[in-house]
Amino acid sequence: DTAVSQTPKYLVTQMGNDKSIKCEQNLGHDTMYWYKQDSKKFLKIMFSYNNKELIINETVPNRFSPKSPDKAHLNLHINSLELGDSAVYFCASSRRTNEQYFGPGTRLTVT
Amino acid sequence: DAKTTQPPSMDCAEGRAANLPCNHSTISGNEYVYWYRQIHSQGPQYIIHGLKNNETNEMASLIITEDRKSSTLILPHATLRDTAVYYCIVRVGDFGNEKLTFGTGTRLTIIP
Repeated sequence: DTAVSQTPKYLVTQMGNDKSIKCEQNLGHDTMYWYKQDSKKFLKIMFSYNNKELIINETVPNRFSPKSPDKAHLNLHINSLELGDSAVYFCASSRRTNEQYFGPGTRLTVT
Repeated sequence: DAKTTQPPSMDCAEGRAANLPCNHSTISGNEYVYWYRQIHSQGPQYIIHGLKNNETNEMASLIITEDRKSSTLILPHATLRDTAVYYCIVRVGDFGNEKLTFGTGTRLTIIP
């Protein structure tokens, strides 16, 4: 059984489009996260949600809007995509102080 | 901004112990040390964490110096599947608000 899943795995789109990435965890965790890993492999946190409430917002452009319909889901919507948004986006979840479980990633390519 | 320093790369022979060092000289008293690894484009995988005592689990051992300014991750019998980038992270933030700041990590290559 997949613990943290993301869809789609690959996403190729043109500049200016709006796209969404979905994340689901079946671990019963309270906290979910979005990370971005750029071409230089730096992995940076973008957002975290605890019990559907936004906890961390790391100075991400407001074109990025996370939405958590319930504790098991944290979706990432991106408006007006730019070339610099090309990256691998990872979703993760955790139970309070314990380790974070990461999804397989979504490779976004903006052309 | 990562609060840790790691060597950029290391090699280890298959079957030997891999010892990965990490410096975190500015760590605060309540900050935990976490280790994750990322195997070629997969999502990072949790390995182990500790505060001040040495820790061991089925994957690895974590040795933290008494002054807590450095630590070593030990993979006791490295296999080819352990080839990955290993991240040493100081976790900051309160419960539910904790943040992992990944640095550049150590690229560990296991040599057959």
